[in-house]
Amino acid sequence: DGGITQSPKYLFRKEGQNVTLSCEQNLNHDAMYWYRQDPGQGLRLIYYSQIVNDFQKGDIAEGYSVSREKKESFPLTVTSAQKNPTAFYLCASSILSSGSYNEQFFGPGTRLTVL
Amino acid sequence: KNQVEQSPQSLIILEGKNCTLQCNYTVSPFSNLRWYKQDTGRGPVSLTIMTFSENTKSNGRYTATLDADTKQSSLHITASQLSDSASYICVVGGSGGSYIPTFGRGTSLIVHP
Repeated sequence: DGGITQSPKYLFRKEGQNVTLSCEQNLNHDAMYWYRQDPGQGLRLIYYSQIVNDFQKGDIAEGYSVSREKKESFPLTVTSAQKNPTAFYLCASSILSSGSYNEQFFGPGTRLTVL
Repeated sequence: KNQVEQSPQSLIILEGKNCTLQCNYTVSPFSNLRWYKQDTGRGPVSLTIMTFSENTKSNGRYTATLDADTKQSSLHITASQLSDSASYICVVGGSGGSYIPTFGRGTSLIVHP
């Protein structure tokens, strides 16, 4: 059963804490992405990765960090430097072909709330 | 700057009625355009993909159109059902090296019985 999974579904964080959101895919996709979604706003790109051990900042990378040690996994850490982290976080993956946009497969999301 | 604008921001219709959602984009050079459906609290799922040479594509009760000259796309939903209540997101991909797409803010559709 192929797909992309995220955990946990809900996460609560106290101010000043770092938290890590998990994203795993078994679709054999090279590219993986993290997006943030706020009410009434479109998806905003945080980080993306094309290959293991390499990743690039998106539009709103400040206060976030990622790693890509395995092709299947792309965890996102929300650090205490992120001043307004309460949001819905979506992970996605896609195949990679030069110079074109391929369908992104999204996980079910993690809703992070800062207490 | 690449932009994708969607209208209306929200829409309420009665079950069984048709509706049309709009998407205007300024992404250049253009690669393709996708419509995604996002149920509340879940990840988006692709409905259709439109490339430069395609004018119309259907997926069940969903029909997407593309006018590459005016850089406009529409998503028409026929005989709406309660399960159509969701956010519909227009996503445009560029070409020439960038595979990072530009997302619209989405249209929130509510179908009432």
